[in-house]
Amino acid sequence: GQQLNQSPQSMFIQEGEDVSMNCTSSSIFNTWLWYKQDPGEGPVLLIALYKAGELTSNGRLTAQFGITRKDSFLNISASIPSDVGIYFCAGRLSGTYKYIFGTGTRLKVLA
Amino acid sequence: GAVVSQHPSRVICKSGTSVKIECRSLDFQATTMFWYRQFPKKSLMLMATSNEGSKATYEQGVEKDKFLINHASLTLSTLTVTSAHPEDSSFYICSASLGTSEYNEQFFGPGTRLTVL
Repeated sequence: GQQLNQSPQSMFIQEGEDVSMNCTSSSIFNTWLWYKQDPGEGPVLLIALYKAGELTSNGRLTAQFGITRKDSFLNISASIPSDVGIYFCAGRLSGTYKYIFGTGTRLKVLA
Repeated sequence: GAVVSQHPSRVICKSGTSVKIECRSLDFQATTMFWYRQFPKKSLMLMATSNEGSKATYEQGVEKDKFLINHASLTLSTLTVTSAHPEDSSFYICSASLGTSEYNEQFFGPGTRLTVL
């Protein structure tokens, strides 16, 4: 199936550091969603983006819908141990109702 | 956010048997539900989309006779893995949405881990 390019694939960071990850594609998307998944659990929705250029925050998380509509970014500020997990972007292609998921970014926070 | 439940959370079965997984939207009516499969350390792969009262739409490469989907009500969709084999072992996750417009996010269930011996 189709997947979005997500980077980095994994990150090891120190507690308190900021984190950035992104998803890119050659296709145009109407909606971007960012999820976090803990081991053995289903993904939990973090942020939803609907318009090109939109910047939305949820606590320490900030996500942006790229101007070209082909990419999206997620930033986590002042990371804490509970930020550990896998982060997925999901993009909805123009003219469809389905979401395509990114390959995931595995985040590990060192206390 | 909306709450979606899945049952069972974990199931172990013998090869050749069938397994049914339920997906329920607890506090909203889901006109559309999606079924995903996730392999270890991999992303989610969409298997099929089910709309209440109609036949499911399967993604390319997904056998509809093997993965039977029923969406009998606005709060319940079921996935039945028929004649399960070890290669069907995986993490199956459902999601529910109010509809298919661009403003309808998907809310995921906690997943069901299937192990076929």
